[in-house]
Amino acid sequence: NAGVTQTPKFRVLKTGQSMTLLCAQDMNHEYMYWYRQDPGMGLRLIHYSVGEGTTAKGEVPDGYNVSRLKKQNFLLGLESAAPSQTSVYFCASTRRLGAPPNTGELFFGEGSRLTVL
Amino acid sequence: KQEVTQIPAALSVPEGENLVLNCSFTDSAIYNLQWFRQDPGKGLTSLLLIQSSQREQTSGRLNASLDKSSGRSTLYIAASQPGDSATYLCAVRPNSGYSTLTFGKGTMLLVSP
Repeated sequence: NAGVTQTPKFRVLKTGQSMTLLCAQDMNHEYMYWYRQDPGMGLRLIHYSVGEGTTAKGEVPDGYNVSRLKKQNFLLGLESAAPSQTSVYFCASTRRLGAPPNTGELFFGEGSRLTVL
Repeated sequence: KQEVTQIPAALSVPEGENLVLNCSFTDSAIYNLQWFRQDPGKGLTSLLLIQSSQREQTSGRLNASLDKSSGRSTLYIAASQPGDSATYLCAVRPNSGYSTLTFGKGTMLLVSP
């Protein structure tokens, strides 16, 4: 049972390079989220999606783009990486409210550690 | 706007002690509250999930309680062990809208042998 899978797990970029993080879930969840976690800052929501073809901005969306072309996948892109985007990125998913069976439990991936030099 | 606060930010105890971690939230209109564990360099693992209609949930040595009216939840760890050392986070899910959860910043627990 894979759950939420993130690739890659580690990446080093130079300033200005672009890259895409992939999140895949096999639980048929409607909602998917991208967070970043930095020391002392806690988890901060970057973007989220409430269904295939939809995306919305979270707390810290600048410098990131996302796409959800398939229900099971949520992609996070950095078009021109900056050192301030050095962080650990987490993807998470859950069912929408009212969708049985629905406990509303949130499931996380293992994280992707990104360093921008 | 929902705010979630976890106190203390760090806690150090000797092995065998019972301990309580606190989580408070400002808006009681929640769907559920979830406790997570995070080991250094790792992802978040779900420990306990309490629905808004529930008062507590138990799993092994862990017991989480919820008092929605006062905006509080506690995570009780019995007979702590060095393997319990980790950061513990709580998160609340609202009962309306598109369900963007609000996280606390966590309590870093160190259990010494």
